[in-house]
Amino acid sequence: QSALTQPASVSGSPGQSITISCTGTSSDAGTYNLVSWYQQHPGKAPKLMIYEDSKRPSGVSNRFSGSKSGNTASLTVSGLQAEDEADYYCCSYAGSSTLLFGGGTKLTVL
Amino acid sequence: QVQLQESGPGLVKPSETLSLTCSVSGGSISSYYWSWIRQPPGKGLEWIGYIFYSGSTNYNPSLKSRVSISVDTSKNQFSLKLTSMIAADTAVYYCARGPTRNYLDNWGQGTLVTVSS
Repeated sequence: QSALTQPASVSGSPGQSITISCTGTSSDAGTYNLVSWYQQHPGKAPKLMIYEDSKRPSGVSNRFSGSKSGNTASLTVSGLQAEDEADYYCCSYAGSSTLLFGGGTKLTVL
Repeated sequence: QVQLQESGPGLVKPSETLSLTCSVSGGSISSYYWSWIRQPPGKGLEWIGYIFYSGSTNYNPSLKSRVSISVDTSKNQFSLKLTSMIAADTAVYYCARGPTRNYLDNWGQGTLVTVSS
């Protein structure tokens, strides 16, 4: 199993929208509608932001949305705010009851 | 709101076995999947494995030979054992809850484990 591929960093100005990609293979993200996204602020535990490709847990801002096309899942953050600056990790069900994380993306709000 | 709390030694010697426990409060351990995830300093997340409340387990293939996860429903706890620890196992270890096998909706705060003699 190789980690899902994410860009190391993305950035945007307050109010703008950014998209973080997460590319897998036909063995994981491309086969199952089971990609989740986690936000992690420095020194804190990860927080679930999106599950099953595009579902948003209760309490998560609707500025966060998820989608998937083929082997690539995406997390879009609209109306960027300073508090959105964090690391973001995608995670996919990878078959045989295993999970696979992406390498993580650092989001900088300029 | 369910809360998870990891406990265990912060320092482990090379070749020894790491034992961590995750205590679950504010909810039952039943009907969920319970995972361990780790994060080396400055690096990304790695899923270690999970246990269903009934006791069935599944592990990351890269760690399978060294990992064991168990559950104690009477204490609302689950535990991780990782044998033959090496320096590369130094990480923050998180426990987390999954409503299904596929995602993790509640996480503990994490505990740093350092492997050093």
